[in-house]
Amino acid sequence: EDQVTQSPEALRLQEGESSSLNCSYTVSGLRGLFWYRQDPGKGPEFLFTLYSAGEEKEKERLKATLTKKESFLHITAPKPEDSATYLCALAGGGNKLTFGTGTQLKVEL
Amino acid sequence: GAVVSQHPSRVICKSGTSVKIECRSLDFQATTMFWYRQFPKQSLMLMATSNEGSKATYEQGVEKDKFLINHASLTLSTLTVASAHPEDSSFYICSAWGQGDQPQHFGDGTRLSIL
Repeated sequence: EDQVTQSPEALRLQEGESSSLNCSYTVSGLRGLFWYRQDPGKGPEFLFTLYSAGEEKEKERLKATLTKKESFLHITAPKPEDSATYLCALAGGGNKLTFGTGTQLKVEL
Repeated sequence: GAVVSQHPSRVICKSGTSVKIECRSLDFQATTMFWYRQFPKQSLMLMATSNEGSKATYEQGVEKDKFLINHASLTLSTLTVASAHPEDSSFYICSAWGQGDQPQHFGDGTRLSIL
């Protein structure tokens, strides 16, 4: 059974203080690992898809990396507008997604 | 980017009412649409998968007679919560998937409150 574990549950950063969010996973055959951002009261917004160990993708202050057991979402010099819950998900059969419980990020001035 | 529209955004109604939620993919054809449920401080739990013109596939523990799904076209799926009760109160989110390596794109959810 596919499993996704995210840590930490919550993270509070000062503006400009870089950090990383972790997504550990177990899967029989990786079809894709997804990162989404979710704002309160909204649906998840797609950020990245990673398919193989060693792959990296970047978008503005965010960079996602992938190993055989975990993925990291690195946030460089975050701003308050980066505050959100970041969700990691594994793609399974039938294009179904198994989500982790997310990391709630708060970036303060 | 791909846009998925979900309506209504919020519903408050009395126990016993049936509620319909619409999910539309606005700028792409959705081969498959998914319906999720999210409780406060928890992650998204997949309820069912629907393909256009086919019966929906429900996840274990989800009552198909309670949560009726219709996927009439490649751009529209509906979820009807039949005879809703307070325990059905939750945040319902749909997503749409087109083809190949495209990710699922999500609507903005429907907050359902049953009194």
